Amino acid sequence: ETGVTQSPTHLIKTRGQQVTLRCSSQSGHNTVSWYQQALGQGPQFIFQYYREEENGRGNFPPRFSGLQFPNYSSELNVNALELDDSALYLCASSPTGVANTEAFFGQGTRLTVV
Amino acid sequence: AQSVTQLDSQVPVFEEAPVELRCNYSSSVSVYLFWYVQYPNQGLQLLLKYLSGSTLVKGINGFEAEFNKSQTSFHLRKPSVHISDTAEYFCAVSGLGSARQLTFGSGTQLTVLP
Repeated sequence: ETGVTQSPTHLIKTRGQQVTLRCSSQSGHNTVSWYQQALGQGPQFIFQYYREEENGRGNFPPRFSGLQFPNYSSELNVNALELDDSALYLCASSPTGVANTEAFFGQGTRLTVV
Repeated sequence: AQSVTQLDSQVPVFEEAPVELRCNYSSSVSVYLFWYVQYPNQGLQLLLKYLSGSTLVKGINGFEAEFNKSQTSFHLRKPSVHISDTAEYFCAVSGLGSARQLTFGSGTQLTVLP
């Protein structure tokens, strides 16, 4: 069973650019969540996708958007990058079913905006 | 909405000593509670979770936590720490209806000294 994988592992972008981060969920997991972890802080919930539909969103502006594909992999897109977007972006996948509450995290993508 | 407060940002402790990492939460609804560990440059790994039932929860690597509803706390304990326990520890909460959307605390850096 493969775990959650994210790509790329590191990325440097210039302010104003756009970025796409990718996540492959663990086999059999149909729910994917994205989190932003700024340096020295806890992760903050960005949004969640369930069966290709957005299923909850945190307090992030619309320039943060996402997609989930039929194979349950997911993308996080950020437009008009700002310096404060520099962070570790974590993807987590979860299995189906109300009783299955555990989220499995990937290693993250470290985004640096200069 | 939920919030999590981790009362200590840094906890230094000597090897083989006991440790307690404190976590308090606030929520208007019933919650699930979690502790995650993050090693440098890695994602999050679940240590333990409280869903229902016994308030004393045992997790991996010898950690345990006790849910106290009246004090809205979920403190993490280990009777004897090892150098390898040095890491960042995050307490997290989710509402029962959105079980995979986690609200994290700001983290506690546990440093085990030889």
